[in-house]
Amino acid sequence: NAGVTQTPKFQVLKTGQSMTLQCAQDMNHEYMSWYRQDPGMGLRLIHYSVGAGITDQGEVPNGYNVSRSTTEDFPLRLLSAAPSQTSVYFCASTSWSVGEAFFGQGTRLTVV
Amino acid sequence: DAKTTQPPSMDCAEGRAANLPCNHSTISGNEYVYWYRQIHSQGPQYIIHGLKNNETNEMASLIITEDRKSSTLILPHATLRDTAVYYCIVRVGDTNAGKSTFGDGTTLTVKP
Repeated sequence: NAGVTQTPKFQVLKTGQSMTLQCAQDMNHEYMSWYRQDPGMGLRLIHYSVGAGITDQGEVPNGYNVSRSTTEDFPLRLLSAAPSQTSVYFCASTSWSVGEAFFGQGTRLTVV
Repeated sequence: DAKTTQPPSMDCAEGRAANLPCNHSTISGNEYVYWYRQIHSQGPQYIIHGLKNNETNEMASLIITEDRKSSTLILPHATLRDTAVYYCIVRVGDTNAGKSTFGDGTTLTVKP
């Protein structure tokens, strides 16, 4: 059981480039989320989804897009990377309304 | 979701109980209290959650006050491997399951 898998683990982008961070879960969870964590800070919610075809914005959605075409996958797209988006990105999935969240191991993104 | 307040840091001697407090004075009747921890820069790990009764599992105990305005996570016999950032969050157990808001947490340092 792989749980929540994030790819890539590390990425360096140039300002203005676009890319997609991948997140996949094999636990058939309805709820999935994306967070970013800046150095020395807590996690901030970017976008979340309550099921396939349904997404909504979190605390810091600007500069990011998401879609949820399947239960398993929840990709995060950076439209035009900026140095302020340098961060560690975590994907999480939750099985039911009061269940625990399972987190991936993170993607460390540097924008130069 | 209700806001939580945690001390930024705490120390604990190895082998002793670690008691981590969390204030959530604006918690609503249908909001659960969750605890996670993050070791180094790994993805957060679920520890325990509760609504109004005290809870215990193999990792920790959760004590929630009768008025539910605060709680305490207890690690009964802290080890060096328990050094981590501990997050207390509250959320409603419904479609907001994917919308958890994390603060900055408490950095627990277990000392030999």
